[in-house]
Amino acid sequence: DAGVTQSPTHLIKTRGQHVTLRCSPISGHKSVSWYQQVLGQGPQFIFQYYEKEERGRGNFPDRFSARQFPNYSSELNVNALLLGDSALYLCASSGQGIYEQYFGPGTRLTVT
Amino acid sequence: GENVEQHPSTLSVQEGDSAVIKCTYSDSASNYFPWYKQELGKGPQLIIDIRSNVGEKKDQRIAVTLNKTAKHFSLHITETQPEDSAVYFCAASWGGGATNKLIFGTGTLLAVQP
Repeated sequence: DAGVTQSPTHLIKTRGQHVTLRCSPISGHKSVSWYQQVLGQGPQFIFQYYEKEERGRGNFPDRFSARQFPNYSSELNVNALLLGDSALYLCASSGQGIYEQYFGPGTRLTVT
Repeated sequence: GENVEQHPSTLSVQEGDSAVIKCTYSDSASNYFPWYKQELGKGPQLIIDIRSNVGEKKDQRIAVTLNKTAKHFSLHITETQPEDSAVYFCAASWGGGATNKLIFGTGTLLAVQP
């Protein structure tokens, strides 16, 4: 079975631009969460979506937004990029019961 | 606020020795405690987890213990092998509800010397 997939794997953007990151959960999983991992730190929660509805939001500015599609895939959008947005963006999917979360390989975003 | 502290930040052991990583959480409502292994350039991999109604869980060479009174939980790896070298993260959450955000520790870089 395929695990969580994310695209693209790497991305380089300029300050002020916007970016869209994509995630496909494990087949059958209906919940997707997004995390930001800055180098040398643990992942930080950004959003959780379940059945296409936002179920949680972390302490991130409104420049960050997300959505979940009918097929349970998800997009994370970041507007007006700052140098500090450079990080590994991780997507995690979870199934029934929403306890265990399985992570994808991440998208490495570099803002110059 | 919610916080998870993790120690040590780095750990070097000889192959075959045991490794122990400890975490403390602040939110007494937390009821789910997973451990992740992250290798260079990869996403975190769930290796073991424990729920608050259990004090200990074991899976081959790895085990996790939980002390809810003290809000401590620990990862134990026995008979370490070079392929165990990675960054390990503990996390805590209140699972089973509408939201299950994970609060991560700061990570432990484990180096197993052959």
